[in-house]
Amino acid sequence: NAGVMQNPRHLVRRRGQEARLRCSPMKGHSHVYWYRQLPEEGLKFMVYLQKENIIDESGMPKERFSAEFPKEGPSILRIQQVVRGDSAAYFCASSPQWNTEAFFGQGTRLTVV
Amino acid sequence: SQQGEEDPQALSIQEGENATMNCSYKTSINNLQWYRQNSGRGLVHLILIRSNEREKHSGRLRVTLDTSKKSSSLLITASRAADTASYFCATDAISGAGSYQLTFGKGTKLSVIP
Repeated sequence: NAGVMQNPRHLVRRRGQEARLRCSPMKGHSHVYWYRQLPEEGLKFMVYLQKENIIDESGMPKERFSAEFPKEGPSILRIQQVVRGDSAAYFCASSPQWNTEAFFGQGTRLTVV
Repeated sequence: SQQGEEDPQALSIQEGENATMNCSYKTSINNLQWYRQNSGRGLVHLILIRSNEREKHSGRLRVTLDTSKKSSSLLITASRAADTASYFCATDAISGAGSYQLTFGKGTKLSVIP
């Protein structure tokens, strides 16, 4: 059973471009979470999704950020018109239920130049 | 404000010694989880302890939870150089809208000197 798979591992974007980060949860997991980590900081919650539903996006910036978890395929975190302040590590986690262990992927390190 | 706060921020010990890290939180929880993160890598899940549990073991790890003091501790016995990493506690929060999210502290950076 493969773990949570995120790609790409590293992503470089110029200011104003779009960044798409992908996350495939563990097999059998229908709950997906996205977190952002700034250098020397802990992880900050962004969004919680189940298949085809956004359950809680209270941690997402109001503009430029969106997330989806379609019926088929990976979850996508999309950042439009990236700015330097979006540079961070973005982690995806999945769990089989909402109140159990959450397993994290290796993260995508986004650098905006 | 931070829900989970780890203490100390940094800890340096000799190989073979025990390492103890503490976590305090503010609001009621259902579960508390500990994670390890090697530099520049993803998070590895170590252990989950539920609010009705007081102690849990996994190999060289021992986690305690005191809900009356809103605190938890992670003990790593007989430390190894490979234990060098940052350790985070994460507390859960359940909202009335059916949401569920983890709140992380800033972590304890553990260095084990061979």
